[in-house]
Amino acid sequence: RKEVEQDPGPFNVPEGATVAFNCTYSNSASQSFFWYRQDCRKEPKLLMSVYSSGNEDGRFTAQLNRASQYISLLIRDSKLSDSATYLCVVTSLDSGAGSYQLTFGKGTKLSVIP
Amino acid sequence: GAVVSQHPSWVICKSGTSVKIECRSLDFQATTMFWYRQFPKQSLMLMATSNEGSKATYEQGVEKDKFLINHASLTLSTLTVTSAHPEDSSFYICSARDPGPGNTIYFGEGSWLTVV
Repeated sequence: RKEVEQDPGPFNVPEGATVAFNCTYSNSASQSFFWYRQDCRKEPKLLMSVYSSGNEDGRFTAQLNRASQYISLLIRDSKLSDSATYLCVVTSLDSGAGSYQLTFGKGTKLSVIP
Repeated sequence: GAVVSQHPSWVICKSGTSVKIECRSLDFQATTMFWYRQFPKQSLMLMATSNEGSKATYEQGVEKDKFLINHASLTLSTLTVTSAHPEDSSFYICSARDPGPGNTIYFGEGSWLTVV
């Protein structure tokens, strides 16, 4: 089965720190890439889509490296509110079945400490 | 606001009964929806991929006769937990793929199922 693997957590960082998460995927035909955050006992919420050119949204920067098949998420100036589990999600088209396959990592837990 | 709505948010049922959970895409037509289960302090586990107009594709180890999935329209998929048992108590979440640019996946708010 195609896999998506994330850094093992948890990450415990002080406020203001910069933290980076990596995620590798094994299906070279993967098409779309996302980072989601999930708070305790809540559903995952889209944080960022990840594009080949890289994208930035405030303190968050996501990058995609298709050649090495990994995506990354960088969080600068960490806030207490950034504490959550971050999920890497990869989609691919199963041409045989004619459907999209969704694969996600197990998530990395981030705890930002005062 | 939410683009994928899930209902009910909370449900308590007696052991042996069946429970239906609905997942609706509000702003787009979703040919593909996904159903997950998450136990406390564990990661999301994909249960099945629901394709509009065809049978769902179940992950290994998920009983298709116990977890009935119906994707009758482009905006609605339902998960029915049949003959529920206490061990089925969990957080069930759906997601839907927006076929627009980006193929973004949006998650429903989740449904907490408690079987007593």
